[in-house]
Amino acid sequence: KAGVTQTPRYLIKTRGQQVTLSCSPISGHRSVSWYQQTPGQGLQFLFEYFSETQRNKGNFPGRFSGRQFSNSRSEMNVSTLELGDSALYLCASSSTGSVETQYFGPGTRLLVL
Amino acid sequence: AQSVAQPEDQVNVAEGNPLTVKCTYSVSGNPYLFWYVQYPNRGLQFLLKYITGDNLVKGSYGFEAEFNKSQTSFHLKKPSALVSDSALYFCAVRGLGGTSYGKLTFGQGTILTVHP
Repeated sequence: KAGVTQTPRYLIKTRGQQVTLSCSPISGHRSVSWYQQTPGQGLQFLFEYFSETQRNKGNFPGRFSGRQFSNSRSEMNVSTLELGDSALYLCASSSTGSVETQYFGPGTRLLVL
Repeated sequence: AQSVAQPEDQVNVAEGNPLTVKCTYSVSGNPYLFWYVQYPNRGLQFLLKYITGDNLVKGSYGFEAEFNKSQTSFHLKKPSALVSDSALYFCAVRGLGGTSYGKLTFGQGTILTVHP
């Protein structure tokens, strides 16, 4: 099976812009979770989607949003970018989002200038 | 709320020696515990997990972890370290209930360096 794929791998944006990141889960996986990784804050949970519904959300401002499509692919959007949004954004997929293993993609490195 | 602590920012060992990367956790109810490894400019790779059962869990690449409920610990171990094991290691916990759907809480990570 193919692993989790994320596009694009690298992005450079300027403050105030918006960005959309994409994640394709492992075939058959219906749960997609998103995480932000920064040197200062470490790995932080953004949100989780299952069957096109957001079931869980972390402590991030409303500028961070996401969605999931019927084929389980997911996108996350960050509006009005700030310098502090520079990070590695990781998505992970699992079968149901319960206690099974989450498998991570390679991440999207976002740099906000 | 659940939390994970990795008390060592960095662990240095010589190749061939045993290694231990420490992790303690706090969670309501039974914990679901995971170890992941991250190589530079890569995502996280799953190593092993504890859900229930034997306290000693065996995982990928010769790694194992020991679950200790009384000490709320889940230390990662390997009997003989390789230079290629050098990477960033994360311990993670998942709690129970709806607020934990798809959510792993990670420790801050431990940089493991194995010297030739």
